[in-house]
Amino acid sequence: AQSVTQPDIHITVSEGASLELRCNYSYGATPYLFWYVQSPGQGLQLLLKYFSGDTLVQGIKGFEAEFKRSQSSFNLRKPSVHWSDAAEYFCAVGAGGSGGGADGLTFGKGTHLIIQP
Amino acid sequence: EADIYQTPRYLVIGTGKKITLECSQTMGHDKMYWYQQDPGMELHLIHYSYGVNSTEKGDLSSESTVSRIRTEHFPLTLESARPSHTSQYLCASSEWPDGEQFFGPGTRLTVL
Repeated sequence: AQSVTQPDIHITVSEGASLELRCNYSYGATPYLFWYVQSPGQGLQLLLKYFSGDTLVQGIKGFEAEFKRSQSSFNLRKPSVHWSDAAEYFCAVGAGGSGGGADGLTFGKGTHLIIQP
Repeated sequence: EADIYQTPRYLVIGTGKKITLECSQTMGHDKMYWYQQDPGMELHLIHYSYGVNSTEKGDLSSESTVSRIRTEHFPLTLESARPSHTSQYLCASSEWPDGEQFFGPGTRLTVL
């Protein structure tokens, strides 16, 4: 079964600075990978996803992520954060269309992003 | 517009009451899910469904039950609510098991 690790529980970044949120996964084959964002009291919104092809994926709100098979990582980046980016960020992995993972996606525990003025 | 809806958004009830949290989606997805999430914490899968008349328990044991009589509708029921059930409940759907999940806005439940 697949697993996801988000090593940073909290990250504090100054407004205008660059951001990188880490995500490591464990899965035997090429997985499907996702990043979601959750604002307080809201559901999750998809930022971007990777299924195959180009390993650098562009998403909404100026976010991008890079799939690195050798490091089993799918880190989320943004060149310049805005105060509105403060939220909870979740990385998720699917079983890559193998038909396994009857319970859908596996989510990480989340990283709480704080933006300093 | 394709979307996923949850009602109510907020619910405060007393111990012992029976409640049903509603979830509906207009995307025609076969796969639907219920997650439980405490504030600022991780998501725990409590129920999922492959399609009509299919329901399965998730990773986290829950005293709630679900039903799937129609493709678009996946309600969650608590027969007798307790303070330990206080949490946020998120509903999601997807076109296939490993694909993108679309989330509703959530129901924040408080049991007094």
